[in-house]
Amino acid sequence: GENVEQHPSTLSVQEGDSAVIKCTYSDSASNYFPWYKQELGKGPQLIIDIRSNVGEKKDQRIAVTLNKTAKHFSLHITETQPEDSAVYFCAALGGFGNEKLTFGTGTRLTIIP
Amino acid sequence: NAGVMQNPRHLVRRRGQEARLRCSPMKGHSHVYWYRQLPEEGLKFMVYLQKENIIDESGMPKERFSAEFPKEGPSILRIQQVVRGDSAAYFCASSPPFSPGGNQPQHFGDGTRLSIL
Repeated sequence: GENVEQHPSTLSVQEGDSAVIKCTYSDSASNYFPWYKQELGKGPQLIIDIRSNVGEKKDQRIAVTLNKTAKHFSLHITETQPEDSAVYFCAALGGFGNEKLTFGTGTRLTIIP
Repeated sequence: NAGVMQNPRHLVRRRGQEARLRCSPMKGHSHVYWYRQLPEEGLKFMVYLQKENIIDESGMPKERFSAEFPKEGPSILRIQQVVRGDSAAYFCASSPPFSPGGNQPQHFGDGTRLSIL
């Protein structure tokens, strides 16, 4: 089955700086890669996603890049703000008909004011 | 447009009791998924259902756990004869029907925190 690894497990950045979180996956059939933000006591919130036919996607301060050959994808947050502090999870989902998300172990991001 | 609704938010049970967790998907969503999250860990897939059908239950423990998504009403995750190891946060997600564009995003509720005394 699919295995997703995520690094780093914790990340602290100064407010206004950029944050990068990296994930690798094992199943070359995986074709959909969402990123979730989870705040304390809440469920995961979808913040951005990318499909395997695209190399990069951007939404305001958030961007995701995908390298299918190397089987890794990354989340980039620019101009970080205190409200970006949360746990971020990457995930991978297999081909059509395989609907189970495999999650990474999470990155606790802390923005230092 | 309400999101995925889960209740109860917190549930306390004694060992041997039954736990019932409910999930109402977003309006227009016909696919429901259950995931379990242990403290400081990622979410682990349990089961995927469509109305009146279990599509994939490969992540469900073979005993004591069951799930349903009836024609009317919410999806139910049922845990019989609970044990301390069942303590976790259980999250439900829903997605729209498939489209030619590929897999649909899964949107999560705020979960049920289950504590076993």
